[in-house]
Amino acid sequence: TQLLEQSPQFLSIQEGENLTVYCNSSSVFSSLQWYRQEPGEGPVLLVTVVTGGEVKKLKRLTFQFGDARKDSSLHITAAQPGDTGLYLCAGARAAGNKLTFGGGTRVLVKP
Amino acid sequence: NAGVTQTPKFQVLKTGQSMTLQCAQDMNHNSMYWYRQDPGMGLRLIYYSASEGTTDKGEVPNGYNVSRLNKREFSLRLESAAPSQTSVYFCASGRQGIYGYTFGSGTRLTVV
Repeated sequence: TQLLEQSPQFLSIQEGENLTVYCNSSSVFSSLQWYRQEPGEGPVLLVTVVTGGEVKKLKRLTFQFGDARKDSSLHITAAQPGDTGLYLCAGARAAGNKLTFGGGTRVLVKP
Repeated sequence: NAGVTQTPKFQVLKTGQSMTLQCAQDMNHNSMYWYRQDPGMGLRLIYYSASEGTTDKGEVPNGYNVSRLNKREFSLRLESAAPSQTSVYFCASGRQGIYGYTFGSGTRLTVV
């Protein structure tokens, strides 16, 4: 059982549709991060959230940290083929601690 | 470009062979990490080094050893490769978890 559970594992949508990816845990995290990984490359950091209830926006991507700091979501509005990739959430149990990663959500946006 | 450099990109080993994966970063980060990535498992931490001269076990350390050669370099060694070690290996560096990690582009290792 992973400390961070992501759902769904796979998502296939048409260009222009919206999607939401979830990252859940029974543990409290001091911070949570989202990464995107493309084939043949390492993950690239998208955002870090640190405050319960925090919402951050990055163009068409909206990230939310749950009030209890146990869960997070990533919402993409009007998805584009360039959003295709593996999305990974990762949490730190305390400041300065190493990151624990979720299993990932593979997103495919078809033109 | 600044970042994390891993070598080699691809490797095929026979069971029982040994090899060392190399990693170097030029961002002056104190912490460095080795992860393996398997389908549906996300990234699992093998070993990490919080600072030069220190190393600690992660979630899946069995069958691996590491060396933090200096602040820039952190190598991962497989002494006797097994098919279960077939995976994609990523090296990362960072200041502290909250600031995020910078990852290398990975080494795809197949053990036959």
